[in-house]
Amino acid sequence: SQQGEEDPQALSIQEGENATMNCSYKTSINNLQWYRQNSGRGLVHLILIRSNEREKHSGRLRVTLDTSKKSSSLLITASRAADTASYFCATDKGSSNTGKLIFGQGTTLQVKP
Amino acid sequence: DTAVSQTPKYLVTQMGNDKSIKCEQNLGHDTMYWYKQDSKKFLKIMFSYNNKELIINETVPNRFSPKSPDKAHLNLHINSLELGDSAVYFCASSQVAGGNYEQYFGPGTRLTVT
Repeated sequence: SQQGEEDPQALSIQEGENATMNCSYKTSINNLQWYRQNSGRGLVHLILIRSNEREKHSGRLRVTLDTSKKSSSLLITASRAADTASYFCATDKGSSNTGKLIFGQGTTLQVKP
Repeated sequence: DTAVSQTPKYLVTQMGNDKSIKCEQNLGHDTMYWYKQDSKKFLKIMFSYNNKELIINETVPNRFSPKSPDKAHLNLHINSLELGDSAVYFCASSQVAGGNYEQYFGPGTRLTVT
């Protein structure tokens, strides 16, 4: 069954604006990862946050994790047209020794120039 | 250099045929994966190998058979293809097997069964 659900499913913003995507999951986790997928391409890893971390930054990306609410958010600041892509969260569902990741359904982000 | 490569990129075939997709990684990783992404972009793990040993085998029809000749290669063979097998198949690798390691994805193979 699907572990993660992302919200919104689609998001359209103007260049320069911030984009926030949310991910909720059902079972306990050890790690949560965010990936980006450009149209017709493979997924690219963006950031990993551990269950004992609450916030992590990488460039214009900020990820938060609230394990009590079983949710995470990805914030992209000062968005660019090149950020147009689908964004997925993935969790290890508490069993981190196999590398099995459960992906959410993704948020499709469109950044208009 | 391409880190994770897959061939072919596109595969169009008829129902009932048998086909293979090849994957190679040059990252020196121990663990490789196969994922299926459907038309709604839902991505689901199918198999994983760690050092040529099968460690994840999800509920997948036994028409799908992975083969890992060495830790740099993980191929996917599909027998008796069905319409529902149409999807994009992604190969991925990680340094070792663990949810705390990022996965590197190949470009995908778009399989169309007619």
